[in-house]
Amino acid sequence: EPEVTQTPSHQVTQMGQEVILRCVPISNHLYFYWYRQILGQKVEFLVSFYNNEISEKSEIFDDQFSVERPDGSNFTLKIRSTKLEDSAMYFCASSVAGSDTQYFGPGTRLTVL
Amino acid sequence: GESVGLHLPTLSVQEGDNSIINCAYSNSASDYFIWYKQESGKGPQFIIDIRSNMDKRQGQRVTVLLNKTVKHLSLQIAATQPGDSAVYFCAENGVDNYGQNFVFGPGTRLSVLP
Repeated sequence: EPEVTQTPSHQVTQMGQEVILRCVPISNHLYFYWYRQILGQKVEFLVSFYNNEISEKSEIFDDQFSVERPDGSNFTLKIRSTKLEDSAMYFCASSVAGSDTQYFGPGTRLTVL
Repeated sequence: GESVGLHLPTLSVQEGDNSIINCAYSNSASDYFIWYKQESGKGPQFIIDIRSNMDKRQGQRVTVLLNKTVKHLSLQIAATQPGDSAVYFCAENGVDNYGQNFVFGPGTRLSVLP
């Protein structure tokens, strides 16, 4: 069964460093998403992406964040200068259509020291 | 009740009993709802969905009920099993953004007792 994959599973970085989180969505899906989940809290929407551009973003997704689909399979989230409060699980998701079920990857745990 | 930070509402049920998990949603314009299950250390996993033109939808051992009048969603799990132990989230999608932005509820932790 096709699934969303994410790498790395755990990323540790120093405050102020740049990180890139990688996702491979399900191959026939057209919509891509990033969410984050701070430990013990609910899942929060960051950004959605369709047709090589951002469709919608939340207030969390400020200028420090960017997304890219560098090739036909990868979907990345970049944080330019990490802060302590960026420590969280970051989930990628994809869906066939915009109003369809989103399938989530296993997440990347980001720890900012 | 409301959950803040680490203090998720918890539902404990005996193995074999039925479970009912509730969720209140906020946007009366939401037209699509999903229940997700999240096991420890894993991403949310789709369980069942329902659109606003329906009141009830059944899957395998699960049923979702939607009450638009009071903006309430529930997930019923029949014959609860140990593997059902997880945190369950409801998510709503507002009609204005065509499914591109799902808002998740705070979650309920289901514990299945032997």
